[in-house]
Amino acid sequence: DAKTTQPNSMESNEEEPVHLPCNHSTISGTDYIHWYRQLPSQGPEYVIHGLTSNVNNRMASLAIAEDRKSSTLILHRATLRDAAVYYCILRDGFNDYKLSFGAGTTVTVRA
Amino acid sequence: DTAVSQTPKYLVTQMGNDKSIKCEQNLGHDTMYWYKQDSKKFLKIMFSYNNKELIINETVPNRFSPKSPDKAHLNLHINSLELGDSAVYFCASSHYRGSTDTQYFGPGTRLTVL
Repeated sequence: DAKTTQPNSMESNEEEPVHLPCNHSTISGTDYIHWYRQLPSQGPEYVIHGLTSNVNNRMASLAIAEDRKSSTLILHRATLRDAAVYYCILRDGFNDYKLSFGAGTTVTVRA
Repeated sequence: DTAVSQTPKYLVTQMGNDKSIKCEQNLGHDTMYWYKQDSKKFLKIMFSYNNKELIINETVPNRFSPKSPDKAHLNLHINSLELGDSAVYFCASSHYRGSTDTQYFGPGTRLTVL
């Protein structure tokens, strides 16, 4: 399985953007990049996913490097509710139906 | 309405007991999963069901037995509980099985084996 590397933690002030990096240097051409997050004492929730192009949705943006060896999840204006563990996951395009989470990045938002 | 629900939320029991965790989804999804999250927060898949049929059993001890009475329900029964079974168990569902599907997770069941 292709692996991802994320910083253990990041801090941000409320209303400021947060850029969460993820390195995936062994990504294959068919791997999708997914992001999930887990708020305290809750189940994981989907944030965003992409393959090659940058993606935007109501929660966040995903910027994918041209060589796809890294990506960045962008929370445009952090709120206290965005404090969570964020997981960057690679899923094979052909048969990877399962999710496997590593340690993720713990995001702290200061009021 | 809760999309994916699990009961109970907390389960404390003695070693050697048998217990069950129930999961229900009201999203009309075809695929359901059980995941285990250990103390280091690593999440690993245990089982996957598609239309009540077991698709995946990821090297889970046979003390763990999933049961899917219908598409909306996937229960997990655990026999002869061991200390190492202590973890948070998450049920999830998705519309289909694939690398671009979104999985919706329940709130988790924290199992503590004493």
